[in-house]
Amino acid sequence: QKEVEQDPGPLSVPEGAIVSLNCTYSNSAFQYFMWYRQYSRKGPELLMYTYSSGNKEDGRFTAQVDKSSKYISLFIRDSQPSDSATYLCATISGGYNKLIFGAGTRLAVHP
Amino acid sequence: EAQVTQNPRYLITVTGKKLTVTCSQNMNHEYMSWYRQDPGLGLRQIYYSMNVEVTDKGDVPEGYKVSRKEKRNFPLILESPSPNQTSLYFCASSRQGGNTGELFFGEGSRLTVL
Repeated sequence: QKEVEQDPGPLSVPEGAIVSLNCTYSNSAFQYFMWYRQYSRKGPELLMYTYSSGNKEDGRFTAQVDKSSKYISLFIRDSQPSDSATYLCATISGGYNKLIFGAGTRLAVHP
Repeated sequence: EAQVTQNPRYLITVTGKKLTVTCSQNMNHEYMSWYRQDPGLGLRQIYYSMNVEVTDKGDVPEGYKVSRKEKRNFPLILESPSPNQTSLYFCASSRQGGNTGELFFGEGSRLTVL
């Protein structure tokens, strides 16, 4: 079993839709969770970071962690074509900044 | 501009021909790392370096070498490339002491080994 599982999609939604992206993880000791966004032919960039359980909001983006079910989510409200990218969930395993990534979900937002 | 620069961005080579992918960062970061990205597998860590002259294996180090002689540079060396090393490679860096999982990535180097 992979330590972080993520549905690769692709996910196609109309502009303005609410998008839900999800990952599950296997190790209950994980505490730091990140969402990276990767545009085509670019490197990933950190979008949001959360610690332990709960929600974190940044503009149209909300990251949610449910430690009881080992489930992490990213919600995008009022999605825009510029949100079209691959979204990778990640967590820190053991040592400093040793990140474990999900496979990434490709999102397309069409006008 | 703060950035991580990788070269070459695209490379086609043949089995067994040694190659080096360079990585340089201008943010004075202590930590640097190499990842490979493959469809369905996501990003997997190859090697990392906590500081100059300190390197360690990641999850998929076989067939790769690295060195860290200067703080800003972290080249990835494929001594004898094989087709299973065809992949998209990313170099990343971050500052020491941070624990937010924020890595700064280069734009990637797409390598094809024939």
